[in-house]
Parts: sequence; structure tokens; C-alpha cells
Amino acid sequence: AQSVTQLDSQVPVFEEAPVELRCNYSSSVSVYLFWYVQYPNQGLQLLLKYLSGSTLVKGINGFEAEFNKSQTSFHLRKPSVHISDTAEYFCAVSDLYGGATNKLIFGTGTLLAVQP
Amino acid sequence: NAGVTQTPKFQVLKTGQSMTLQCAQDMNHNSMYWYRQDPGMGLRLIYYSASEGTTDKGEVPNGYNVSRLNKREFSLRLESAAPSQTSVYFCASSDQVNQPQHFGDGTRLSIL
Repeated sequence: AQSVTQLDSQVPVFEEAPVELRCNYSSSVSVYLFWYVQYPNQGLQLLLKYLSGSTLVKGINGFEAEFNKSQTSFHLRKPSVHISDTAEYFCAVSDLYGGATNKLIFGTGTLLAVQP
Repeated sequence: NAGVTQTPKFQVLKTGQSMTLQCAQDMNHNSMYWYRQDPGMGLRLIYYSASEGTTDKGEVPNGYNVSRLNKREFSLRLESAAPSQTSVYFCASSDQVNQPQHFGDGTRLSIL
């Protein structure tokens, strides 16, 4: 069965500093990987996705993530964060062979708290 | 450009009351989903509908029922609300297996 682990429940960082949010997954089959962002009192928005091809994936708002199959990781990075990046970030995995649906398994989330 | 619309946005119920949460999408997606979000637990799938006319249980289906009314609409019903069902409920939709899900803004439900 698939699972997703986000090791850090909260990551405090100063504005303009770099940040990395960690995500590890376990699966016995090939997977698709996603990062979503949730701003306060809103639904989830897609940041980026890995389906195949290049292991470095670029998303919106200057975020990027690298798929590492040997490490079963999909860490999210940004070289310089802004106050507006304060939000909760969710990593999710989906089974490549999920049939007609794309059932995502979500991690428990990482709260990115950007301080001035 | 509505996307996924959920109603209501907020609701307070008493234990034992029933309620239906509504969800509609205007993206012509085949699949729709209901999740609940609780602090420290991420999102957990309650029920999903792969296509119009089909529904299946997710990770936490107990206490809930769903109806895929048509391709656009997917409702979630609590027949006899319990305090443990206090949560934020999200509806989502997707088109194909390898496409991401689109989420509504959520329904914040409190059960006293």
C-alpha cells in the first residue's frame, strides 16, 4: 500500500531565505507525485506535479521539486521565500495503475511559517 | 471560472441531526471525491465516484453516504451527525488518472 511521510509538521524560516520541505513515499509500483498548497481558509491548489520525464519539476510561485526514485523522495524547494508563501503544503502520491480514478494519498502536511 | 463549488461554507449541527453537503463542478470531469481534513491528519478520502453512476468507499466512509446525481454533482450526506464528524470537508474532481484533482474551498462543519 502507498503511504506518504512529511517529516516536518512545521518549518519556520525567515523571509528571503531558502527552504526545503521534505516528502518521502512508499509504493511497490510506479507513482505520480504532487505538491499542493493550502492558504488559510481555502481549498488546496496544485503547486507542481511529477508524472514522468525530467526529475526536476518546476511549479508556480518559484517552487520546484526533485523526484529521487532511489531515495523515494520528492522534496519541495524554493531559493527565496516571501511572507506570502506562508501556508500549509501537502505532498501526495497516486498509483500509476489506479484504474479509472486517481486516488491521491496525502501526507499530513507541513506548515511553512515565513517570518520577516 | 467557478471550478468546484461547495455549499454551504459553514454549518453547525446538533448531534443526531442530518445534513447534505453539496458539490458541483463545471469542468466536465469524470471523477469526483469527498475528503475530510482534520488537524495533523492531512486529507482522508471518504467516498469517491469514478464516473457518473458509480460510487466507492474511501478510507473513512463510516457515518456517511454519497450520491452522484449527475456528471456535475456529487453530494455527501450525514444521516445522524456525531461530534467526531466535526471537520472541514473538501470536494474535488479530476478528469483522467494522471491529472491532478481540483478542490473546492471546503465546508466547515461543527457538530455539538
